Amino acid sequence: DTGVSQDPRHKITKRGQNVTFRCDPISEHNRLYWYRQTLGQGPEFLTYFQNEAQLEKSRLLSDRFSAERPKGSFSTLEIQRTEQGDSAMYLCASSHGQGKPNNEQFFGPGTRLTVL
Amino acid sequence: DAKTTQPPSMDCAEGRAANLPCNHSTISGNEYVYWYRQIHSQGPQYIIHGLKNNETNEMASLIITEDRKSSTLILPHATLRDTAVYYCIVRVADAGKSTFGDGTTLTVKP
Repeated sequence: DTGVSQDPRHKITKRGQNVTFRCDPISEHNRLYWYRQTLGQGPEFLTYFQNEAQLEKSRLLSDRFSAERPKGSFSTLEIQRTEQGDSAMYLCASSHGQGKPNNEQFFGPGTRLTVL
Repeated sequence: DAKTTQPPSMDCAEGRAANLPCNHSTISGNEYVYWYRQIHSQGPQYIIHGLKNNETNEMASLIITEDRKSSTLILPHATLRDTAVYYCIVRVADAGKSTFGDGTTLTVKP
């Protein structure tokens, strides 16, 4: 257990429905990251926050995806109008962040999304 | 971020050292080498990182060549629980994203 928690761990939804995932980072970490991982592939970066500011978004993050970290603590990732291609493991990670000598990212267990 | 190249799979006998190579010939001077592993259906686990010097912690050792174009992760006494996908990543320390490749699937056999 790295101290990063994600909820839910599994989500099954029908195509077209909206889903929201939550990530709680390690408390003293000011950076929070979202990645997506499909079977047999390495994790792909989606976006990251420094405190409440979203500093970078991947081209993978289409208009149907939105991430927030309103108080600089937990974060949510919402997918609107889900498609079967959204089926994947969604991983959250946190780190100390800018200016820290060690900025290794600690990952949560992931949320596995299945879109039927 | 610099691109990394890793062999797709490796086997290791239980109790022996596992040596996992990574090529990163386009690494920049301020980029670190990070290693993570991912056991089936879990999130990636941080193992170790380094810039120039060799590093050791309770999990593994990291050997970086003098020209920094390649590195080797060493698990000194592999156990069955070390069976996982191992990812080598290079990035600036305070960069946002990490770019993962497909990693090396290490299988430790009895």
